[in-house]
Amino acid sequence: DQQVKQNSPSLSVQEGRISILNCDYTNSMFDYFLWYKKYPAEGPTFLISISSIKDKNEDGRFTVFLNKSAKHLSLHIVPSQPGDSAVYFCAASASGAGSYQLTFGKGTKLSVIP
Amino acid sequence: DTEVTQTPKHLVMGMTNKKSLKCEQHMGHRAMYWYKQKAKKPPELMFVYSYEKLSINESVPSRFSPECPNSSLLNLHLHALQPEDSALYLCASSQEVSAGGYHEQYFGPGTRLTVT
Repeated sequence: DQQVKQNSPSLSVQEGRISILNCDYTNSMFDYFLWYKKYPAEGPTFLISISSIKDKNEDGRFTVFLNKSAKHLSLHIVPSQPGDSAVYFCAASASGAGSYQLTFGKGTKLSVIP
Repeated sequence: DTEVTQTPKHLVMGMTNKKSLKCEQHMGHRAMYWYKQKAKKPPELMFVYSYEKLSINESVPSRFSPECPNSSLLNLHLHALQPEDSALYLCASSQEVSAGGYHEQYFGPGTRLTVT
């Protein structure tokens, strides 16, 4: 049973436009969500996170939105740059279980076209 | 500084070899993790160390043996591996492991392991 789902395996966006990556979750105990970016043959790089007490968190070009009622979150990248081309993983954790347990989605490969 | 380092970057080993993977962080984090990642899959948690004690073993075969010599170092000893163990092995660290706390995990670049 996949508790974190990224239903789009890939996404192509023109440079300068907005990239929107989506993530859905099923476990209502999840209360902390993270986005990681991964280049081939490298480890995931932490990008941005949001706790369930917020519905938006912004860091530079990256904004994460959380819709708890829909169990949905999204990562917006504006403007998209070619260097953003990577695989993006959504991850979730439940604080009651301790912060170690990250449940990852399968990832979305973003290609930003110059 | 949010750097986690791992050595070696690449490792090829036979099924009868013994080798070790190393991980180091100097962020003062008290929780360290080993993950395994196969191609086109998300990372899978293997072990968690909290304050240098093994707190989680996700039913990993005994041919993988973790060790935490001190709060900055984490090793993964490998012995008698199988070809299906070939993967990217990732180390991560976070401030700590605590119920009710939110702590990002920071990943190293990984060791690409090939078992022949």
